[in-house]
Amino acid sequence: DAMVIQNPRYQVTQFGKPVTLSCSQTLNHNVMYWYQQKSSQAPKLLFHYYDKDFNNEADTPDNFQSRRPNTSFCFLDIRSPGLGDTAMYLCATWGLTNSPLHFGNGTRLTVT
Amino acid sequence: AQRVTQPEKLLSVFKGAPVELKCNYSYSGSPELFWYVQYSRQRLQLLLRHISRESIKGFTADLNKGETSFHLKKPFAQEEDSAMYYCALSGWDSSYKLIFGSGTRLLVRP
Repeated sequence: DAMVIQNPRYQVTQFGKPVTLSCSQTLNHNVMYWYQQKSSQAPKLLFHYYDKDFNNEADTPDNFQSRRPNTSFCFLDIRSPGLGDTAMYLCATWGLTNSPLHFGNGTRLTVT
Repeated sequence: AQRVTQPEKLLSVFKGAPVELKCNYSYSGSPELFWYVQYSRQRLQLLLRHISRESIKGFTADLNKGETSFHLKKPFAQEEDSAMYYCALSGWDSSYKLIFGSGTRLLVRP
């Protein structure tokens, strides 16, 4: 059973039109991450939550925001997507134990 | 600051040849190192973590703190090993971040 679920799998949005990607987890993990992975590149950490404590990476554009209303859900909001935001967006969780991170299948976002 | 360096973008070997994917890191604290694999059109999967000292699919990796390296090795490559391999570092003792290297594409030829 999938433990980290990302919706939708594929999203197409127009330049400048806000979009929200969602991630849910059934693991009750404290830490949730959002990564951006562009074609043929490594995943790049955008931000992460430790419970409700939000940690933004210094080079994450202001255009990218996140919400975590409860332990199970985390959202990535892109306020005004640009063509350069076309990428796979990965959500991951970690439970502060010796277990590894769990990744979702990702949402492939295309900005046209 | 955390940093992971994978110097090779592409490594091409023949089936049955030994493989070594290089990874060097920079971290001032006590790091935890991982290798993740991404097969074509599939999600990232954990392959190895240094604290487990396991051998998965014939791959091993040893943390060398003196050389700040965590190279991934396999004595005999198989075609199904062809994939993208990412070395990653976490600073669980300070920031809970997991930072990835730029990745190495392993191509195993028949």
